[in-house]
Amino acid sequence: AQSVAQPEDQVNVAEGNPLTVKCTYSVSGNPYLFWYVQYPNRGLQFLLKYITGDNLVKGSYGFEAEFNKSQTSFHLKKPSALVSDSALYFCAVRGYTGRRALTFGSGTRLQVQP
Amino acid sequence: GAGVSQSPSNKVTEKGKDVELRCDPISGHTALYWYRQSLGQGLEFLIYFQGNSAPDKSGLPSDRFSAERTGGSVSTLTIQRTQQEDSAVYLCASSWGDDRRPIQYFGAGTRLSVL
Repeated sequence: AQSVAQPEDQVNVAEGNPLTVKCTYSVSGNPYLFWYVQYPNRGLQFLLKYITGDNLVKGSYGFEAEFNKSQTSFHLKKPSALVSDSALYFCAVRGYTGRRALTFGSGTRLQVQP
Repeated sequence: GAGVSQSPSNKVTEKGKDVELRCDPISGHTALYWYRQSLGQGLEFLIYFQGNSAPDKSGLPSDRFSAERTGGSVSTLTIQRTQQEDSAVYLCASSWGDDRRPIQYFGAGTRLSVL
């Protein structure tokens, strides 16, 4: 079985400061990893993915994530937070084989204070 | 181009009634997924369609839930004899069905409230 853990329900950061949203995963074999963002009353919006290759993945809106195989982590980062980044962030995983459906973490609410 | 479209955006129903939720995927996408987002359970997979293959129904929570996909495009999720615990946001996603292009694109969801 595959699983995702997002240990923080909420992350608070001041505008202009760097942000990190944590994610660890468990999957059989190599993973596909994703980050999605959800704004109020909206669906999930894709931010970035890791399939293979460079461990540092760059995505939309200045976000990036670092894949660490030994720690089974895929933390989301941004060098300088914006108030408009305030939203709900989901990490998701699926395996290279088997079911293509995603398994999601519980979500982390990011609050950026002006 | 057009994204994933879901209708209705909101649905209020009485306990025991049947409801149908519709999803129109991105044109050309062969894979279609239904997920449910609720406060207690988070985001959970319900069912997955890939081309003409038999759907993966492993996430359906009970036999009151069913889904079909007609002509490889539009999908309908049906919930029979709705219960209050069915209240949630139902999200549909589609993708190319190709492991080189694994991104799933989500619709805005249908918020179902069972009174």
